[in-house]
Amino acid sequence: AQTVTQSQPEMSVQEAETVTLSCTYDTSESDYYLFWYKQPPSRQMILVIRQEAYKQQNATENRFSVNFQKAAKSFSLKISDSQLGDAAMYFCAYTSGTYKYIFGTGTRLKVLA
Amino acid sequence: EAEVAQSPRYKITEKSQAVAFWCDPISGHATLYWYRQILGQGPELLVQFQDESVVDDSQLPKDRFSAERLKGVDSTLKIQPAELGDSAMYLCASSLQLTYEQYFGPGTRLTVT
Repeated sequence: AQTVTQSQPEMSVQEAETVTLSCTYDTSESDYYLFWYKQPPSRQMILVIRQEAYKQQNATENRFSVNFQKAAKSFSLKISDSQLGDAAMYFCAYTSGTYKYIFGTGTRLKVLA
Repeated sequence: EAEVAQSPRYKITEKSQAVAFWCDPISGHATLYWYRQILGQGPELLVQFQDESVVDDSQLPKDRFSAERLKGVDSTLKIQPAELGDSAMYLCASSLQLTYEQYFGPGTRLTVT
């Protein structure tokens, strides 16, 4: 069965600094998608970035980028120039042909002014 | 921008009572998902619909939970009778058919006393 592991329950970063959130997964599939979702307090979950497993190039969305290591089954999220609005729970998620998402347990990111 | 709507946002109920949640997906989204998110954990899929048909309900506690999407548009998730362990956030998400990106609603926070 596929699993997603986020080993950092909580992370802190100084405003304007860079932080990396870790995610590892386990699957026997060769074609799948990986996502990072952000869940601000009392607000809905929104997509931050997605990565297709068949693409070798790491996805980038403005200040957010990923380090996708397919052989190592690692999918980390780097947030550059951190802002106060980045404070939230971040969930790593996996899906393959069933479109069923499997989420990690999340990492709470605190941004310090 | 189109959003997934959910109601109520908050619900407090006594154990053994019945409770229902409603979700209206983004217009045109054929796939609808109900998730349960226990505090401090990632969302876990309860049921997935493709139009009005159930695709996956393997994690739905069918002795007390039921879900329907009669006309393939909005959906209702019901719990009867509610138990203390059902206290959680119930999230609804939708996606276009044959795509992987899911859009989440704000959720219904259920407290069972």
